[in-house]
Amino acid sequence: QQQVKQSPQSLIVQKGGIPIINCAYENTAFDYFPWYQQFPGKGPALLIAIRPDVSEKKEGRFTISFNKSAKQFSLHIMDSQPGDSATYFCAARSTTGNQFYFGTGTSLTVIP
Amino acid sequence: DTGVSQDPRHKITKRGQNVTFRCDPISEHNRLYWYRQTLGQGPEFLTYFQNEAQLEKSRLLSDRFSAERPKGSFSTLEIQRTEQGDSAMYLCASSQRDRGQNTEAFFGQGTRLTVV
Repeated sequence: QQQVKQSPQSLIVQKGGIPIINCAYENTAFDYFPWYQQFPGKGPALLIAIRPDVSEKKEGRFTISFNKSAKQFSLHIMDSQPGDSATYFCAARSTTGNQFYFGTGTSLTVIP
Repeated sequence: DTGVSQDPRHKITKRGQNVTFRCDPISEHNRLYWYRQTLGQGPEFLTYFQNEAQLEKSRLLSDRFSAERPKGSFSTLEIQRTEQGDSAMYLCASSQRDRGQNTEAFFGQGTRLTVV
């Protein structure tokens, strides 16, 4: 059972575009929603995270929008660059902090 | 201490052999997690430790898998009688739980296991 559903599976944008990656969850026993960036052969690197009492968080070019009632959250990358080309994973953490549940990932390609 | 460290980075082994991986978490972190990631998928939870206690194990963790964190610092993950289906990236992460609050989890670079 996939606890966190992520879309799209892949995304191609032009440099300067704003890719948007969406995630949805069903379990309400989550208290923390991070996004990870992963390059081939590397471990996931924490990018940005949000707690459910906040509707939006921005760090540099990365913004998370969170809709608690719809149980959805999304990542926006402003002014995307070729160096942003990577796989992005959303995740949700159980309130006990015991587990992170990951989405299936989105492969982003930013064309110069 | 700059982050979570995993060793080795790559391991190729023959089917049926035993392998052991090591993870050194961020030094002040008391929680340590093991995840497995196959190609094109997100990481899947295997097990986690609070200090030296292994508090939760996924059903993905068959009897051939065992994890330890003897002194609440580094951890090892052993796979006995490896099978080709064990080929994956094994990721370690750590976080801190203090006064009921959890910090962010940081991942290591992973150990890529190939069973031939």
